[in-house]
Amino acid sequence: EAGVVQSPRYKIIEKKQPVAFWCNPISGHNTLYWYLQNLGQGPELLIRYENEEAVDDSQLPKDRFSAERLKGVDSTLKIQPAELGDSAVYLCASSKGLAGSYSTDTQYFGPGTRLTVL
Amino acid sequence: AQSVAQPEDQVNVAEGNPLTVKCTYSVSGNPYLFWYVQYPNRGLQFLLKYITGDNLVKGSYGFEAEFNKSQTSFHLKKPSALVSDSALYFCAVRGPGGSARQLTFGSGTQLTVLP
Repeated sequence: EAGVVQSPRYKIIEKKQPVAFWCNPISGHNTLYWYLQNLGQGPELLIRYENEEAVDDSQLPKDRFSAERLKGVDSTLKIQPAELGDSAVYLCASSKGLAGSYSTDTQYFGPGTRLTVL
Repeated sequence: AQSVAQPEDQVNVAEGNPLTVKCTYSVSGNPYLFWYVQYPNRGLQFLLKYITGDNLVKGSYGFEAEFNKSQTSFHLKKPSALVSDSALYFCAVRGPGGSARQLTFGSGTQLTVLP
């Protein structure tokens, strides 16, 4: 079974430029997550999708970040414009999302995209 | 609010010796607890989880973890460490519902197994 796929793996941009990250979850997984991981810290949730619906985006900085999950499969996370403080690893994860089992679901992570903003 | 504490930033152990990576948590209601491992330039890999039942949970690569409700702990253990176990380990907790539905991670513990 293929794991969570993310691209690109690395991205270097100048501040104020836009950037986009792509994620393809494990086949059949209904729930998709985007996390931010700063150096030396654990991941922090940015947004969670159940199928096409963003059900938890309370920690997404909506002034510059946006996300979409068209057709409930692939997802894209965008930053526009990027700031120096956005340099981090952006992780995508997915889980089965079975009804009634959300809290016990195991999340499976992709390799992440390391963003460097100069 | 739920939280996870990993009190040790760094743990060093000799190859062949037992290892323990500590984790304590705070959550309203019954906790669901997870351990993940992260190798350099890789995403997080799932090791094991506690949902209910037996307090000793066995996972991948010979790792196990013991849930202790009275001490609100979920320490990761392995009887005999390998050099290849050297990595960054994260403990995570999720509560049963509402705002606790997010998975909250600790800050990580860097495990180094010395040959």
